Amino acid sequence: AQSVTQLDSHVSVSEGTPVLLRCNYSSSYSPSLFWYVQHPNKGLQLLLKYTSAATLVKGINGFEAEFKKSETSFHLTKPSAHMSDAAEYFCVVSEKYQGGKLIFGQGTELSVKP
Amino acid sequence: NAGVTQTPKFRILKIGQSMTLQCAQDMNHNYMYWYRQDPGMGLKLIYYSVGAGITDKGEVPNGYNVSRSTTEDFPLRLELAAPSQTSVYFCASSPGTGRMNTEAFFGQGTRLTVV
Repeated sequence: AQSVTQLDSHVSVSEGTPVLLRCNYSSSYSPSLFWYVQHPNKGLQLLLKYTSAATLVKGINGFEAEFKKSETSFHLTKPSAHMSDAAEYFCVVSEKYQGGKLIFGQGTELSVKP
Repeated sequence: NAGVTQTPKFRILKIGQSMTLQCAQDMNHNYMYWYRQDPGMGLKLIYYSVGAGITDKGEVPNGYNVSRSTTEDFPLRLELAAPSQTSVYFCASSPGTGRMNTEAFFGQGTRLTVV
């Protein structure tokens, strides 16, 4: 069965500094991987997705993630944090042969200090 | 351009009451899902459906029921509400695993409190 582990429950950065949110996955088959963002009291918005094309994936708002099969990782990065990036981030895995179900990590809360 | 629509947005239930959370999508997606979100726990899959007339249990199905009579609608039923069902519920849909693009589109959520 597939699973996702987000290695940090909370990350705090200063505005203008880099962001790194870590995610490891476990999957029997070639997975699809996603990062979703949730702002307070809002729904979930797709940031980016990996579906076995390029291993470096670019998303919205300057975020990107790199799929590393040897490390089973899919870390999310951004060169320079903005105050508006403060939110909850979820790493998600989906397996082709598991009914398309999305399995969520526990989430990482990103705080951005002025 | 409605996407996934959930109703109601908020609801307070008394213990033992029942209710149905409505979910509709207008993207002709085959796959639909119900998740619940509890603080610090991420999202847990309650039930999912791969097409009209087909449903299956997810990680936390106890206390819930679903039906899928049409492609568009996927209601979630709570028969005997319990305080443990206090949560935020999200409905989602996706095109399905037949394509590379299996991202899910989420509704805005229903915040349910059971007292």
